[in-house]
Amino acid sequence: GAGVSQTPSNKVTEKGKYVELRCDPISGHTALYWYRQSLGQGPEFLIYFQGTGAADDSGLPNDRFFAVRPEGSVSTLKIQRTERGDSAVYLCASSPQTSGGSTGELFFGEGSRLTVL
Amino acid sequence: AQKVTQAQTEISVVEKEDVTLDCVYETRDTTYYLFWYKQPPSGELVFLIRRNSFDEQNEISGRYSWNFQKSTSSFNFTITASQVVDSAVYFCALWNYGQNFVFGPGTRLSVLP
Repeated sequence: GAGVSQTPSNKVTEKGKYVELRCDPISGHTALYWYRQSLGQGPEFLIYFQGTGAADDSGLPNDRFFAVRPEGSVSTLKIQRTERGDSAVYLCASSPQTSGGSTGELFFGEGSRLTVL
Repeated sequence: AQKVTQAQTEISVVEKEDVTLDCVYETRDTTYYLFWYKQPPSGELVFLIRRNSFDEQNEISGRYSWNFQKSTSSFNFTITASQVVDSAVYFCALWNYGQNFVFGPGTRLSVLP
């Protein structure tokens, strides 16, 4: 498709379970970002990829959270031993930015709503 | 550290009124970019405008205009003749190369018919 695609759109799980959220960015976009948004708040940065490598993972809240982008395109956010506080909308965005290139506009997906019971 | 503040939590206006959304940012970088994004009830964040730090010229694009004041670190956004469809949460954001986007907490705008 033309835009950023995120699956699943909704995920309900039980506390302690493992969850994977997938993001398929716009073709050719080198940068990929994960954000988390709780109700009534702004997007909270989690991790940013430039190509296959994580350029900045300082936003990951703890070691239960991990993300990969093995081929520089699709990314998966993995959450182990989920907790009720992990409930939020997880947003993925991609950008064509390179070190000297574009001016950084982010294109967002519709998000994956995670509910931990 | 980079930070974005949006002091207005919620604003309500009547249709056709003009409305200005405030944004104040903090950065140590001399070159950076500022953005406004809109998040309608459907949830997807939509890019509205972008301004780089070395161009303080204010512009108008349709019903949208912005006022960038580097001296006060402000990047305010105005919607002229507001419409009900403008009702959404608006986020101001700050970015520079090699860094993550930092979003403000958002301002919820309600345009009443």
